[in-house]
Amino acid sequence: ILNVEQSPQSLHVQEGDSTNFTCSFPSSNFYALHWYRWETAKSPEALFVMTLNGDEKKKGRISATLNTKEGYSYLYIKGSQPEDSATYLCAFMAGANNLFFGTGTRLTVIP
Amino acid sequence: NAGVTQTPKFRVLKTGQSMTLLCAQDMNHEYMYWYRQDPGMGLRLIHYSVGEGTTAKGEVPDGYNVSRLKKQNFLLGLESAAPSQTSVYFCASSYDDSLAAWDTQYFGPGTRLTVL
Repeated sequence: ILNVEQSPQSLHVQEGDSTNFTCSFPSSNFYALHWYRWETAKSPEALFVMTLNGDEKKKGRISATLNTKEGYSYLYIKGSQPEDSATYLCAFMAGANNLFFGTGTRLTVIP
Repeated sequence: NAGVTQTPKFRVLKTGQSMTLLCAQDMNHEYMYWYRQDPGMGLRLIHYSVGEGTTAKGEVPDGYNVSRLKKQNFLLGLESAAPSQTSVYFCASSYDDSLAAWDTQYFGPGTRLTVL
């Protein structure tokens, strides 16, 4: 069992604010780091998969960075919109088949 | 493509009853997974399969069995349900010839199971 920690647990921001969250994971046996977006009453949907130290990925207003040496990844949302409200999950992959999930950061964007 | 589907969506069982949850995917994925999601905890892997006819234990396998007789289906069985198995169960699949083994997992809509 590997410890994947996400902070903060929850976050309220005003529409238009930019925000970021952290995912911490073991720095050894790194294979990949996943980010998922999980809306209430739906299933998790993939945002990014990152495998290389220093990776940066971007999708619209959402971007992510990866530091495998120190064991963290940041997810950034620029100009938050109400439709960004969701739980953002990160998951650490220690091998090809084992994904260890954090408990998520619940984001609420207030109009 | 329907993606990943799960049957049933909801179920209530009494302690000691058995049931099977069905997961089906139409993306020709090799890998399939069963997770459970409990309040305050991340998704935890119960069992997984890396191909037809194969299964392996995940983080929390006790009390569950699985089978992968066909590539597109992954069944999760509870032989004698216990209240501790009340949870939301998610199936996921990943990896076809166009993707790497570490690539995205695609999730089903979940099955909410209550054991009384």
